[in-house]
Amino acid sequence: AQKITQTQPGMFVQEKEAVTLDCTYDTSDQSYGLFWYKQPSSGEMIFLIYQGSYDEQNATEGRYSLNFQKARKSANLVISASQLGDSAMYFCAMRETFYGNNRLAFGKGNQVVVIP
Amino acid sequence: DAGVTQSPTHLIKTRGQQVTLRCSPKSGHDTVSWYQQALGQGPQFIFQYYEEEERQRGNFPDRFSGHQFPNYSSELNVNALLLGDSALYLCASSLVSSGSIYNEQFFGPGTRLTVL
Repeated sequence: AQKITQTQPGMFVQEKEAVTLDCTYDTSDQSYGLFWYKQPSSGEMIFLIYQGSYDEQNATEGRYSLNFQKARKSANLVISASQLGDSAMYFCAMRETFYGNNRLAFGKGNQVVVIP
Repeated sequence: DAGVTQSPTHLIKTRGQQVTLRCSPKSGHDTVSWYQQALGQGPQFIFQYYEEEERQRGNFPDRFSGHQFPNYSSELNVNALLLGDSALYLCASSLVSSGSIYNEQFFGPGTRLTVL
């Protein structure tokens, strides 16, 4: 069963505008972590932001913020003030936490193209 | 501080051949995970090595095997290559022994394997 769902089609966003990327997840665990990664055309996965299931506040990292709604099992990424360099694939991933478990389950990704 | 490195960058093989991909983890990391990313998909977990042993395995056949060396570097071996093995193979390193719930994985640039 798919654990991470990202269903938005490719998105075009105007430079300096904000964009929200949707992510829903499925787990029966109480303790888990949610990650967002950026993958430019070069292929490398770049870590953006992390949200733990017990974190009461939404995570923020610079222009990135995570809208975490635990009851709805959603972890949407918000990119504010988009820049041309933000054009990339964005992946949501989940790690179901127990000691030593560090495997990530990824969604299929969201394509973002920033236009000037 | 060197990040995760992978070699080779690109590789072309024919069906039935065998391939070995290499990964050096980020300095200080003790765990290496391998992921396969088919075109247009999110990365899929293959397996993870810690203390020179395979600790976790995803849904991949036995044709996929690996090894971790005392210096924490790792190899991914794929035997009897199929056309469907064409993908970007990503290596990620982390420090599992830290015991931290927040356990970020750092990804390498990947090896793009093409099977003809």
